[in-house]
Amino acid sequence: DSGVTQTPKHLITATGQRVTLRCSPRSGDLSVYWYQQSLDQGLQFLIQYYNGEERAKGNILERFSAQQFPDLHSELNLSSLELGDSALYFCASSVEGQGEYNEQFFGPGTRLTVL
Amino acid sequence: KNQVEQSPQSLIILEGKNCTLQCNYTVSPFSNLRWYKQDTGRGPVSLTIMTFSENTKSNGRYTATLDADTKQSSLHITASQLSDSASYICVVSARTGANNLFFGTGTRLTVIP
Repeated sequence: DSGVTQTPKHLITATGQRVTLRCSPRSGDLSVYWYQQSLDQGLQFLIQYYNGEERAKGNILERFSAQQFPDLHSELNLSSLELGDSALYFCASSVEGQGEYNEQFFGPGTRLTVL
Repeated sequence: KNQVEQSPQSLIILEGKNCTLQCNYTVSPFSNLRWYKQDTGRGPVSLTIMTFSENTKSNGRYTATLDADTKQSSLHITASQLSDSASYICVVSARTGANNLFFGTGTRLTVIP
């Protein structure tokens, strides 16, 4: 158990809908990262927050947005969902926001299915 | 362009046998390289981390090597077990940049009895 929690574990919804994924980082970690992993694909970095502020942006679609709250939990909002958005969404956390040896600890993921 | 390539894409071995997974990278300036194990449907878990000055590191039956000159790393698994069945992901960190992690697409290892 990495100490990172994600809810829900599974989510099934229809095209065009909007969903919110939630992540609670490990105690003491200030940074949260979101990743998308489509079937049999590698991890794709979406976005990083550090202590409430956006730190880095990856291949995140405009239909997707995220935020980190004062208690450091984070939410990833996915809107106007398409079939291709079906994937595992992982959250990771780390102590620092940046740094060469900044190890990320991954949560168990949320499996999103768009029908 | 910063890239991480892994081979083979998939591998099937018999329980008890050894295997070696490869990772080639072009990330610069290089900081460190990690190998992660990802069980199906679960989050990745770190196995080893190596910096520029380290050329080998072990974690139980897992031994990672790094050749910073040729920009290659390998993960050797000894006496494989059924529980080793997973995807193994190579992740390379650059020393600069806010988005400084580069992920390989992984090698899917299946260990059969």
